Amino acid sequence: DIQMTQSPSSLSASVGDRVTITCRASQSINTYLNWYQQKPGKAPNLLIYAASSLQSGVPSRFSGSGSGADFTLTISSLQPEDFATYFCQQSYSTPVTFGQGTKVEIK
Amino acid sequence: DVQLVESGGGLVQPGGSLRLSCAASGFTLSNYWMSWVRQAPGKGLEWVANIKEDGTEKYYVDSVKGRFTISRDNAKNSLFLQMNSLRAEDTAVYYCARDFSDFWGWFDPWGQGTLVTVSS
Repeated sequence: DIQMTQSPSSLSASVGDRVTITCRASQSINTYLNWYQQKPGKAPNLLIYAASSLQSGVPSRFSGSGSGADFTLTISSLQPEDFATYFCQQSYSTPVTFGQGTKVEIK
Repeated sequence: DVQLVESGGGLVQPGGSLRLSCAASGFTLSNYWMSWVRQAPGKGLEWVANIKEDGTEKYYVDSVKGRFTISRDNAKNSLFLQMNSLRAEDTAVYYCARDFSDFWGWFDPWGQGTLVTVSS
């Protein structure tokens, strides 16, 4: 199985900050990498698919990059509604696997 | 609107069984793979199983193989997960999700989830 490792596991940031979350795969996954946001008590919501494609309806302050084994999710200017947990997911091979999550908290 | 609504969760004893359902609306179920993904309390996400558009292919995570069965009824716009021989470690919120395995393999949307608790 492909292991997905996110860093950091948590971070504290202020409104307006630029935030970057990293996801590393245990092997090359091309661009088969997706990002989700999850708020407490809610289902995950797709943000980015295929490493860098913004899902319809997602604010443009979210962006994704990377290929191979290293990927990043960037929030260009953190907004109050962005405080949540973020997960990466590889869809290169079955079983699909998720990173452990990065919790973004208010500083 | 595209919507998924799970049901069937609850409290079950170890070794027991439960059948989860997922009602789909707002899209043609027969055009999509579908998945179940679970999340243990306070933990991360774990993909459980998926099923091809016509039900001819099914895949499972190793930890549930032989115990769980995914199925679908496209005519009734429904997805199912039959869970047998349940263990404490199966305790989780179970989400159904539309699965874009024919493309880049993302999940969108997800249902609101149904909680399964395995405990004596």
